[in-house]
Amino acid sequence: ILNVEQSPQSLHVQEGDSTNFTCSFPSSNFYALHWYRWETAKSPEALFVMTLNGDEKKKGRISATLNTKEGYSYLYIKGSQPEDSATYLCAPPRREARGNEKLTFGTGTRLTIIP
Amino acid sequence: DGGITQSPKYLFRKEGQNVTLSCEQNLNHDAMYWYRQDPGQGLRLIYYSQIVNDFQKGDIAEGYSVSREKKESFPLTVTSAQKNPTAFYLCASRDRGRTEAFFGQGTRLTVV
Repeated sequence: ILNVEQSPQSLHVQEGDSTNFTCSFPSSNFYALHWYRWETAKSPEALFVMTLNGDEKKKGRISATLNTKEGYSYLYIKGSQPEDSATYLCAPPRREARGNEKLTFGTGTRLTIIP
Repeated sequence: DGGITQSPKYLFRKEGQNVTLSCEQNLNHDAMYWYRQDPGQGLRLIYYSQIVNDFQKGDIAEGYSVSREKKESFPLTVTSAQKNPTAFYLCASRDRGRTEAFFGQGTRLTVV
């Protein structure tokens, strides 16, 4: 994987159902992965910052896992609610020369919850 | 209140004119970033800066310029060389290390 890829691009889920989606990223020189939620008419907000292989983070009904060796992370939403409708973005910061940190995002997964 | 302020929220310009988008943060963050979003697409990185007086090209820097004269400020100029400037522009900042980014409210630029 050379770039950050997210799948699926969009998802429609019935209220109350659980769902998950994927972020794939270059596994070389990994040092962190961010997940963000971007609701319509708002700014993206961080959900999780993950750093260790096998990491599992949870915030309410949302959780995420991380596999740094193979370069992927899953985001899970349990019992989807209308307020979960948003675009979910992942971003692995990359350390570069002279201490610069590049932050490139995947294209996102657009989640729509159907009441 | 700490945060990132982008101004203006909406901006209209005639084709061929340069335009500067403002981004100010009072979070004392080292790193600042500019992104562009087009309909149906994700966030694409234009420029980023880790320290004052230094900045790096992102993935789509052509037609844009930036400056970082103060830690708090990272203005983006959309020049007339940018072929498709109409887009939504987001500014972000973050601390060094494994920390998340914080975003401004964005500026929607329309060039007519």
